[in-house]
Amino acid sequence: QKEVEQNSGPLSVPEGAIASLNCTYSDRGSQSFFWYRQYSGKSPELIMFIYSNGDKEDGRFTAQLNKASQYVSLLIRDSQPSDSATYLCAVNRDDKIIFGKGTRLHILP
Amino acid sequence: DAGVIQSPRHEVTEMGQEVTLRCKPISGHDYLFWYRQTMMRGLELLIYFNNNVPIDDSGMPEDRFSAKMPNASFSTLKIQPSEPRDSAVYFCASSSPAGQYFGPGTRLTVL
Repeated sequence: QKEVEQNSGPLSVPEGAIASLNCTYSDRGSQSFFWYRQYSGKSPELIMFIYSNGDKEDGRFTAQLNKASQYVSLLIRDSQPSDSATYLCAVNRDDKIIFGKGTRLHILP
Repeated sequence: DAGVIQSPRHEVTEMGQEVTLRCKPISGHDYLFWYRQTMMRGLELLIYFNNNVPIDDSGMPEDRFSAKMPNASFSTLKIQPSEPRDSAVYFCASSSPAGQYFGPGTRLTVL
């Protein structure tokens, strides 16, 4: 089992709708969780991090963590064409940050 | 802060040549990471340092790869000899407890 798993997509979402991105991880010892956005040809950019079970909101973004289910998600409200990118889920275990392969998100104008 | 700085941004070399990639982390960050990204394998952690000391190099593909961090503001990743399968984007990142911050990457092409 891979340490961090994401559906590769592409996930197509109409402009203005909610985009829901999901991630599962295998190691229960994972301590903190991150979402990165990567535009084509650019480096990953940190957009959210979450440590505790529940929801964390930042503008149009909400990260959700369920440690019992080893599941973390990212919701993007009022999706914009500029949100089209690859979203990488990452987990921190013993100071080592492990990335999933990412989900490609395409916002349809 | 200028962020994580990497050089060169692009490198094209021939098989068998030595390649050196350079990184300047964000000042005050204790951790430095080297990653390689390809379409097939995604973002792979190669090695990371804490306070200039290598902590985990289990991701380094083979002995052709080596990394050093002589001081808190500089790190190198060296490939000797390079091979076509090393072609990828190599990212350096430094971190604080709030997360990692990536440099712009070096696109390496080995012919």
